[in-house]
Amino acid sequence: ETGVTQTPRHLVMGMTNKKSLKCEQHLGHNAMYWYKQSAKKPLELMFVYSLEERVENNSVPSRFSPECPNSSHLFLHLHTLQPEDSALYLCASSQLRDSGEQYFGPGTRLTVT
Amino acid sequence: GENVEQHPSTLSVQEGDSAVIKCTYSDSASNYFPWYKQELGKGPQLIIDIRSNVGEKKDQRIAVTLNKTAKHFSLHITETQPEDSAVYFCAALPGFRAGNQFYFGTGTSLTVIP
Repeated sequence: ETGVTQTPRHLVMGMTNKKSLKCEQHLGHNAMYWYKQSAKKPLELMFVYSLEERVENNSVPSRFSPECPNSSHLFLHLHTLQPEDSALYLCASSQLRDSGEQYFGPGTRLTVT
Repeated sequence: GENVEQHPSTLSVQEGDSAVIKCTYSDSASNYFPWYKQELGKGPQLIIDIRSNVGEKKDQRIAVTLNKTAKHFSLHITETQPEDSAVYFCAALPGFRAGNQFYFGTGTSLTVIP
């Protein structure tokens, strides 16, 4: 596989569930990102990892918990979410944190019921 | 922080016509401006970008222009085709400093009518 992959592509979960989103990049990049995409809103940066270290956390509620075990994999652990958390969650990677070009995965469409 | 505004939010053109999408930004330190195309069910894909030391860049049917003085940049698509139908996003990246991140526009939904 090439590029940035995300699983699952679709997820429906109740507010009391715990689930995880997975992202994998096959580009040899050193920085990875989680974004939230909601209708009619700009992409919202949630977390940034550079060389497996979290370097950005944009006031994201603690019910979202990221994990970066190595430079190729990124997880977003979800628990006790709210209906307003329903959105498309996009993972991206770049060569370096400030290199400019970011490559996005296809996203996970999350619905919280 | 940076604020990026994008217009129009929707755009319909006849096949073969040109399409122009405009973005403005507020932070004069921004120095990198990518454009992304997002098709239904897919993530955003980088289609063209421009850095602040360049005024215009072209790649086949797409071009981007940058006016640093006015703080705006535009995407131009010529000879549009139905497969150009998608949502297009602009973004701005302030200069390299701590806390650096992309700021995105709200997107333009482009429909090319056959």
